[in-house]
Formats: sequence, structure tokens, C-alpha cells
Amino acid sequence: SQTIHQWPATLVQPVGSPLSLECTVEGTSNPNLYWYRQAAGRGLQLLFYSVGIGQISSEVPQNLSASRPQDRQFILSSKKLLLSDSGFYLCAWSLRRSSGTSGTDNEQFFGPGTRLTVL
Amino acid sequence: GQQVMQIPQYQHVQEGEDFTTYCNSSTTLSNIQWYKQRPGGHPVFLIQLVKSGEVKKQKRLTFQFGEAKKNSSLHITATQTTDVGTYFCAGMREYGNKLVFGAGTILRVKS
Repeated sequence: SQTIHQWPATLVQPVGSPLSLECTVEGTSNPNLYWYRQAAGRGLQLLFYSVGIGQISSEVPQNLSASRPQDRQFILSSKKLLLSDSGFYLCAWSLRRSSGTSGTDNEQFFGPGTRLTVL
Repeated sequence: GQQVMQIPQYQHVQEGEDFTTYCNSSTTLSNIQWYKQRPGGHPVFLIQLVKSGEVKKQKRLTFQFGEAKKNSSLHITATQTTDVGTYFCAGMREYGNKLVFGAGTILRVKS
């Protein structure tokens, strides 16, 4: 069976410090990977998604970056955190769509998340 | 870009009352998915709707996909305290790679 791991579970960082959040998936190959951010009591904002190693699409301009050094590893980073970076960061994966298919899609499986507080 | 609007933002009901959340997209969708996030937890997939006018049921939950494939609803009959949480819809355009999530509806149930 497939599992998704995120760490750390919680993090408190000072403004201006760097950030590295890691997400790994087990039990599947070539997944689509996603990073979301959720502000308190709010919806999910897609930050980055990846369809393969080294392939990253950025959805929102910001001081965050993502990397996918291995097939099942997705990393979210920042060189200098801002107060506005506080939130609940969720990693998710889905099966890669077969080429030429449309109308159906595969559900996204979310990790347990990282609660980041920037002070 | 594609937008998915979800209403209401928040609803507080008495246990046993019904609940409905609505989702509208600015573009035609290839499918729509629904997720539930319990307080303090992460979103969990509930269901996917693909066909125009499709209706699916899961026990007390009824999901509908509009004829134009631009709107959807989730209806819960006779809410229970275990139904509390945030319900998200998420839509994907034809041949798209990513889901666009609605802002979610927070449901609270008074016992």
C-alpha cells in the first residue's frame, strides 16, 4: 500500500531563517507530487506541482521554491522566511494520468502536514 | 485563470438537520472531487464525479455534478457530530494536471 510522509510535523522559525520541508512517498512510482499551503481556517493554495524528477511548476510567485531530486521525494525550501509564510503545509501525491486520457482523474492523497509558525 | 467558488464559508447546524455546500467553477470541468478535512487533520478524498448530471450517494451524503459540468453540491442528510470538519470541492479542467480547490465550507454540528 502507498504511504506519504512529511516532516517535521511542527516547526517554529524566526523571520529571515531558512526552511526545508520534506515529503516522501512509498509504494508507488512516477507519482504527481504537490505542495499546498493552508492558512488558518482557509482553503488550500497550490504552491508547486511536479510530474517528474526535476520538473517543477510554480503556481504562485513567492519566496518559496521546490525541488524533486528523486522520483518519490519532494522538498519545499526558502532562503529567508517571512511572517506571511506561516501556515499548514501539505504535500500530496496522485497517480500520473495516462497520456491522452481526459474526463477522469485520480484522487490526491495528502500527507499529515507541517504546521509552520514564523515569529 | 480557473476559479472554483464554494459557499457557504461556514455553517453551524443542529444535530439531525440537513447540510448543503455548493461549488461553482468559472470553466467547464472534466471532473470534480470532494474532500473532507477533520479539525487538525489533512484532507481526505470522498468522491469523484465525472459525468454531466451525475449523482452519487455515500450513506447520508449525496453528491451532484451539474449538467453543464460547472457546478456541484454535497448534501448531508440528518447531520451527526462526526460530520464536523471542512468540506472542499476541487475541480480539474480537461487534460489538466492540477486540481483547483474551493475555499471550503466549515461545518459545525451542535448536539
